[in-house]
Amino acid sequence: SQQGEEDPQALSIQEGENATMNCSYKTSINNLQWYRQNSGRGLVHLILIRSNEREKHSGRLRVTLDTSKKSSSLLITASRAADTASYFCATDGGSNDYKLSFGAGTTVTVRA
Amino acid sequence: DTAVSQTPKYLVTQMGNDKSIKCEQNLGHDTMYWYKQDSKKFLKIMFSYNNKELIINETVPNRFSPKSPDKAHLNLHINSLELGDSAVYFCASSPSGTGASPLHFGNGTRLTVT
Repeated sequence: SQQGEEDPQALSIQEGENATMNCSYKTSINNLQWYRQNSGRGLVHLILIRSNEREKHSGRLRVTLDTSKKSSSLLITASRAADTASYFCATDGGSNDYKLSFGAGTTVTVRA
Repeated sequence: DTAVSQTPKYLVTQMGNDKSIKCEQNLGHDTMYWYKQDSKKFLKIMFSYNNKELIINETVPNRFSPKSPDKAHLNLHINSLELGDSAVYFCASSPSGTGASPLHFGNGTRLTVT
């Protein structure tokens, strides 16, 4: 069954603005990952956050995790046209470590 | 150097045909996967192999049969193709197969069944 659900489904912003998207999940997890997918390409891993972590940074990316609310957010600061892509969260199933479940993603369009 | 490569990139075929998609990874990873992405971009796991052993087999019609001849290869064979099989199929690999391992994806095979 689907684990992560991203919100919003689509987001359009101006270059230089920040983009925030959220992911909610249903059952307990050990790890949550964020991926980017450019049009016509495979998914690319961005960042992994463990269940005992609350925040992680990687360049212009900031990920938060709130296990009490079963939610995570991905913030892209100072967006660029090259950030135009779909963004997915993926969660493991807690005890079922082998299965990484994805949502349907947030499509981000950065306008020049 | 392509880390995870899958062929073909596009596959157009008629209903009832049998087709195969091949996947190879040169990352030395132990675990490989097949995911299906539908027209709404929802990505669903189909199969996973760890060191040639099947460890995840989701609710997938038995017309779909994965084969892993060695840990660097995971192929997907589909019998009696149906219209609903049209989707993008992604192969992926990871070092250990746990949720703590990032997945490395191929660029997908777009299957169109007419």
